[in-house]
Amino acid sequence: ETGVTQSPTHLIKTRGQQVTLRCSSQSGHNTVSWYQQALGQGPQFIFQYYREEENGRGNFPPRFSGLQFPNYSSELNVNALELDDSALYLCASSLDVGVPEAFFGQGTRLTVV
Amino acid sequence: AQSVTQLDSHVSVSEGTPVLLRCNYSSSYSPSLFWYVQHPNKGLQLLLKYTSAATLVKGINGFEAEFKKSETSFHLTKPSAHMSDAAEYFCVVSPVAGTYKYIFGTGTRLKVLA
Repeated sequence: ETGVTQSPTHLIKTRGQQVTLRCSSQSGHNTVSWYQQALGQGPQFIFQYYREEENGRGNFPPRFSGLQFPNYSSELNVNALELDDSALYLCASSLDVGVPEAFFGQGTRLTVV
Repeated sequence: AQSVTQLDSHVSVSEGTPVLLRCNYSSSYSPSLFWYVQHPNKGLQLLLKYTSAATLVKGINGFEAEFKKSETSFHLTKPSAHMSDAAEYFCVVSPVAGTYKYIFGTGTRLKVLA
């Protein structure tokens, strides 16, 4: 176990709805990154948060947004859900923004119907 | 631009035989390279990492990888496959200083035959 926990583990949403996914980073880690893994593909970088500020973003539309809290836990919010948003969403924490090694949570499986 | 290519989408080996999963990378910077494993319906587990120290890297569960700059390769090997090694394996490059976003390969599914 990595110490990175995500909730919920599974959820089903309807197209057009909004969803919030949560991640608790490993103790002592101040950097959190989010990835989307569509079925049969490798994870794609969504964005990274470092000390409560966004520190880099991948090729995802603005309806994907995030937050990092003072305790370094994080949320991923997705508005106006589309069918293609169905995926496994992975959270990864790192000790610091300058440390490349990341530890992943088990993921949240989102199904949009 | 940085990228990573996993040369085989599927690899099948017999239990007890060697495993070779191939990975080539492209990076303008001195990269950090990783191999992760993903078992069905699970998250990603770090197998090993290269961060500009020794070029031969040993990881967990008997896996190792060799960083070859001249060939821009970072192939994953294991001398003897075990049934529990059956999983999806991802080669990852982390090239961008300041924002250590990971760039994943498309994955190699390893099947181990009894």
